[in-house]
Amino acid sequence: AQSVTQPDIHITVSEGASLELRCNYSYGATPYLFWYVQSPGQGLQLLLKYFSGDTLVQGIKGFEAEFKRSQSSFNLRKPSVHWSDAAEYFCAVDDPGTYKYIFGTGTRLKVLA
Amino acid sequence: NAGVTQTPKFQVLKTGQSMTLQCAQDMNHNSMYWYRQDPGMGLRLIYYSASEGTTDKGEVPNGYNVSRLNKREFSLRLESAAPSQTSVYFCASSDGPNTEAFFGQGTRLTVV
Repeated sequence: AQSVTQPDIHITVSEGASLELRCNYSYGATPYLFWYVQSPGQGLQLLLKYFSGDTLVQGIKGFEAEFKRSQSSFNLRKPSVHWSDAAEYFCAVDDPGTYKYIFGTGTRLKVLA
Repeated sequence: NAGVTQTPKFQVLKTGQSMTLQCAQDMNHNSMYWYRQDPGMGLRLIYYSASEGTTDKGEVPNGYNVSRLNKREFSLRLESAAPSQTSVYFCASSDGPNTEAFFGQGTRLTVV
């Protein structure tokens, strides 16, 4: 079965610092990968997605993610974090043929002023 | 753009009571989903509907039932609520495999 691992439960960064959130997946072929963001009390919003092609994908709010097949990873990055980026971030994979999305357990980001 | 609309936003139930969570989407999506979110556990799939007229169990279906009323609406029913069902429930929809899911704002349910 497919699985998604986000090894960092909490991450704290200073405003203006760079950010990298880790995501590893377990799947034999190239999966369809997503990053979502959830602000407190809100639903999930899509940041970016990877289906095929260029392994570096750009998303909204200045985020990007890089797909690395050799490492089974899809890490999310941002060069300079803003206080408004404080939220919980979820990595997800589309389980092909099953209509299911499998989510990681999330990484909660705290931003220090 | 309404997207995915869930009602109610908040609900408190007593153990043993029943209730139905409503979800509607206006994006003409084929597939709809119900997830629950619990601290440290991410989102876990309760039930999904690949297309109108079909429903299937997800990872944690026990204690729940669903109805795909039409293409727009997908409801989740708790027949006899238990404290273990205290959670935040999210409805989502998508155009099917290999597309992204769109989420509602969630329903925060407390069972006392």
